[in-house]
Amino acid sequence: GQNIDQPTEMTATEGAIVQINCTYQTSGFNGLFWYQQHAGEAPTFLSYNVLDGLEEKGRFSSFLSRSKGYSYLLLKELQMKDSASYLCAVMDSNYQLIWGAGTKLIIKP
Amino acid sequence: TAGITQAPTSQILAAGRSMTLRCTQDMRHNAMYWYRQDLGLGLRLIHYSNTAGTTGKGEVPDGYSVSRANTDDFPLTLASAVPSQTSVYFCASSRSAGDQETQYFGPGTRLLVL
Repeated sequence: GQNIDQPTEMTATEGAIVQINCTYQTSGFNGLFWYQQHAGEAPTFLSYNVLDGLEEKGRFSSFLSRSKGYSYLLLKELQMKDSASYLCAVMDSNYQLIWGAGTKLIIKP
Repeated sequence: TAGITQAPTSQILAAGRSMTLRCTQDMRHNAMYWYRQDLGLGLRLIHYSNTAGTTGKGEVPDGYSVSRANTDDFPLTLASAVPSQTSVYFCASSRSAGDQETQYFGPGTRLLVL
């Protein structure tokens, strides 16, 4: 079966750094996406990785290791507005996205 | 640019009734998708359309039907609603159905079936 695992909830302090992990087992791999979803809103695209390594985009970075079936999203200089759920999704061999349940990130002042 | 719009924003529906959730995009995207999102679960694909005139079944298609008469519109119909269809429904689109194609989401429809 196909499976995406990520922690249910994490707490961090404003101004700090947090790493959200995602492990996956899917039938085929055509890239890994990270989305942000604020409560009551739609998911919005953050990053895409298809090759091993780190992709940096401002305060957010995403890492991929295809051999380990592992990715993480790194958020630096946390701000209160970063309080949201972070969704990991893998595109499988049929080019369909398989989604994790999301990690709810709580930022404390 | 509106992007993707969905209607209605929310709805309470009696079990056994039918309903159509509307989705329209103005980005001229070829591929469109319907997902449901339930607490504690990841987004699950209901149906998809890679291009106008074609549709396909996703992970959880039972009880739902779709049509894609043109590029812009992708309505989702519940023929006879059941309480287990209570969920938040998101429509999404992407430029094509291939890899590296980001999916863009509408604001969602919150449906309660009683």
